[in-house]
Amino acid sequence: GAVVSQHPSRVICKSGTSVKIECRSLDFQATTMFWYRQFPKQSLMLMATSNEGSKATYEQGVEKDKFLINHASLTLSTLTVTSAHPEDSSFYICSARLDTYGYTFGSGTRLTVV
Amino acid sequence: QKEVEQDPGPLSVPEGAIVSLNCTYSNSAFQYFMWYRQYSRKGPELLMYTYSSGNKEDGRFTAQVDKSSKYISLFIRDSQPSDSATYLCAMTGNTGGFKTIFGAGTRLFVKA
Repeated sequence: GAVVSQHPSRVICKSGTSVKIECRSLDFQATTMFWYRQFPKQSLMLMATSNEGSKATYEQGVEKDKFLINHASLTLSTLTVTSAHPEDSSFYICSARLDTYGYTFGSGTRLTVV
Repeated sequence: QKEVEQDPGPLSVPEGAIVSLNCTYSNSAFQYFMWYRQYSRKGPELLMYTYSSGNKEDGRFTAQVDKSSKYISLFIRDSQPSDSATYLCAMTGNTGGFKTIFGAGTRLFVKA
């Protein structure tokens, strides 16, 4: 089946540094990937839609300069959290749409900013 | 009002019980309804999906959609401890490019 590989699974960084999260589609081409953020006991909140070869579309309230998204190929999308702060600590998940109703999700990245 | 409402629980049941998980929604344009299961510290995985109203069964899982009431359900028969997870409903339709809206997720604990 279609698999999205997300790395790292867990990262701890110091406040003010940048962190890059990668999502790769392993056996299919993903022209569009979605980046979500999930706080404890809360639902997935869509941050941005990543389109291969073009600029990402960000949801209202999401800072473009803070959450940099790059989708340079059909199998790789990256999210970089720049100048991270403790309030950026969260669970970040990527996904790719397979068809109208199906998404395949990455395993998620637990970011802790200290 | 949120577009999708889902009781976060937690819901605790004994092994073998029938579990009922539910979501309500407000947007009548939703046509596709999905249920995802998410284990702790993992990404969600698609369990079942249905289109429009009706029932769909897959093993111990049954998904129901009642569009007239804007209410969807997931039933788990003969629940097992391995079913302990968070279950998220999700739905999409011809609303702004088929954007998918997720429920908050219901945490389920099945006790052995």
